[in-house]
Order: sequence, then structure tokens, then C-alpha cells
Amino acid sequence: GAGVSQSPSNKVTEKGKDVELRCDPISGHTALYWYRQSLGQGLEFLIYFQGNSAPDKSGLPSDRFSAERTGGSVSTLTIQRTQQEDSAVYLCASSMERYEQYFGPGTRLTVT
Amino acid sequence: GNSVTQMEGPVTLSEEAFLTINCTYTATGYPSLFWYVQYPGEGLQLLLKATKADDKGSNKGFEATYRKETTSFHLEKGSVQVSDSAVYFCALSEAAGNKLTFGGGTRVLVKP
Repeated sequence: GAGVSQSPSNKVTEKGKDVELRCDPISGHTALYWYRQSLGQGLEFLIYFQGNSAPDKSGLPSDRFSAERTGGSVSTLTIQRTQQEDSAVYLCASSMERYEQYFGPGTRLTVT
Repeated sequence: GNSVTQMEGPVTLSEEAFLTINCTYTATGYPSLFWYVQYPGEGLQLLLKATKADDKGSNKGFEATYRKETTSFHLEKGSVQVSDSAVYFCALSEAAGNKLTFGGGTRVLVKP
């Protein structure tokens, strides 16, 4: 079946612009996660959605970062007023509750 | 907070050599432990997992045993192949299906 998909695969933006990154989880998966992979910080958790519960936003690095999940499926990660340190690969994962996470291919964000 | 420490790479081996990648963790409670692998140009894939002390996870010839007394989850493979060249990440979650805390990753290069 289809895995986790993310779009765009690559995004180049100018400092100060806003960007939106999209994640389509595996159908039927109730949990959705965003992580960031960067050279300096490794793999970091950003935010976690589980069903209709309030999301766990404890990993978001600043208030410029936000995410939503519509209809319990697709999720969008928004970064406002991008900075160069936001350059990274943004990974999305989904899972059935309390089961293993399946990762998407990532969106490589470059802020110039 | 939770943390995972794994040996830095790169680790360079010859084909059929024995591979060990050390991983230790700090966590409250009894976490689940994972090894993820990232092959060149591909996304993160779950390699193996263990959910309680003394459990042994295994897959594709790789093994790791959950050692609570030493808070370790070392990855081993008896005879590596060129196709095992990848970056390996040790990770934990406080409960299966919850957010993952990753180690820094270990790049492994297997030469023919």
C-alpha cells in the first residue's frame, strides 16, 4: 500500500518568507509526527498528533513554527518568517496508536 | 529528560566483518528501544525494536538486546555486506507509539 508522502520534496525559500510543508499519512493511521533532521541538531521531535487529542507541541523550537492536522489525516507544518537555521530535512511519520512509526521521504528546506 | 548516545562514525568495515554500534540511553520509566536505518537517498526505516528488558530484537541479520542494567541497546551483525552501508539511528520512546528521541546516528561504510 501507499506509504507516507510529503510535499514538496525540496523547497528553497528566502529568509523571512513563510513556508508550508505537507504530509499525507498512511490511511487509517491515527498518530502523526513531525521531526527535523539537521546537521547541527541531528533528528529532533517537533510535534505529535494523536486522534482528537490536543497535539504535543513540546518540540517546536519557536512560535514561528505551527502545525495542523485536518480531518484526522493530512497535516501541514508552517514556518513563518524563515531563518537560515531552519534549513533542514523535515520528516513526517505516522503510526497506528502505540505501534511503530513509518517515515516519509522528507522535505529538504533550504533558506537562503 | 530522555537522551540517547551512540558511537560516532563513520565506521568503515570490510565485507563479512563483524559490526557493533554502541547505544546507551537515559530515560524515566521503561522505554521502548529502536534501531532505525537510513540507506543512501532513502527515508528512515525501522530495523528492529525491543519493548522490555532482556528482549532481543532482530531483523536482516541484525540483533540488539535491551539491557536495563547497563541502559544499553547495542546493535550487532555477524557478517556485513556492502548493502548494509547506511546511517543507523538508535532511538527510544517512553511508550510504544509515542514520540521518538534519537541518537546522533552512526554512518557505516562497508567496502568490498
